[in-house]
Amino acid sequence: DGGITQSPKYLFRKEGQNVTLSCEQNLNHDAMYWYRQDPGQGLRLIYYSQIVNDFQKGDIAEGYSVSREKKESFPLTVTSAQKNPTAFYLCASSIRGAEAFFGQGTRLTVV
Amino acid sequence: AQKVTQAQTEISVVEKEDVTLDCVYETRDTTYYLFWYKQPPSGELVFLIRRNSFDEQNEISGRYSWNFQKSTSSFNFTITASQVVDSAVYFCALSEGGGTASKLTFGTGTRLQVTL
Repeated sequence: DGGITQSPKYLFRKEGQNVTLSCEQNLNHDAMYWYRQDPGQGLRLIYYSQIVNDFQKGDIAEGYSVSREKKESFPLTVTSAQKNPTAFYLCASSIRGAEAFFGQGTRLTVV
Repeated sequence: AQKVTQAQTEISVVEKEDVTLDCVYETRDTTYYLFWYKQPPSGELVFLIRRNSFDEQNEISGRYSWNFQKSTSSFNFTITASQVVDSAVYFCALSEGGGTASKLTFGTGTRLQVTL
């Protein structure tokens, strides 16, 4: 089945630790995105990438890093510099101008 | 810079009422795309509709309809005869079409609660 797979579904991070959220797509889409959603809030763009080996900061990139070494993969690292990482993270992919397809999300909690 | 505004934070209606969700956008591009998504309690976003900036025709899909007006930079969504299953958060989004990098920007969402 074609789609976007995010893993893990739930993730717990200790303070000061880096964690990496996985996002894989088999839709052959060029563009991929990471969004953060806080309770009762909208989606805020963290990073996006239009092609392999290229990505741009979104509105809230501080404390996060990404890589795009393969077309199908766009992992997000939440670094210790992100002071308030507890949130729901959504990955998406699209072809330019077309609708974005979303993964099921990763819920990250700091313990 | 592109921006999407959904001024209605939360709407509550009784089943079978009609409800309209507002969306106003800002962009400098002449080519752009507008979207509506539904987010049920499970969290995953469900695509509802896509409209490009050159197509101002309104669209109807079952109980759902969309009104795109470039003159007022609005892309409103109406649910006719609402049902409890329509309860969700609805997001409007904008993607600019030009250039090599195209951001997909979302509004803050409207939570729709439909009760019996």
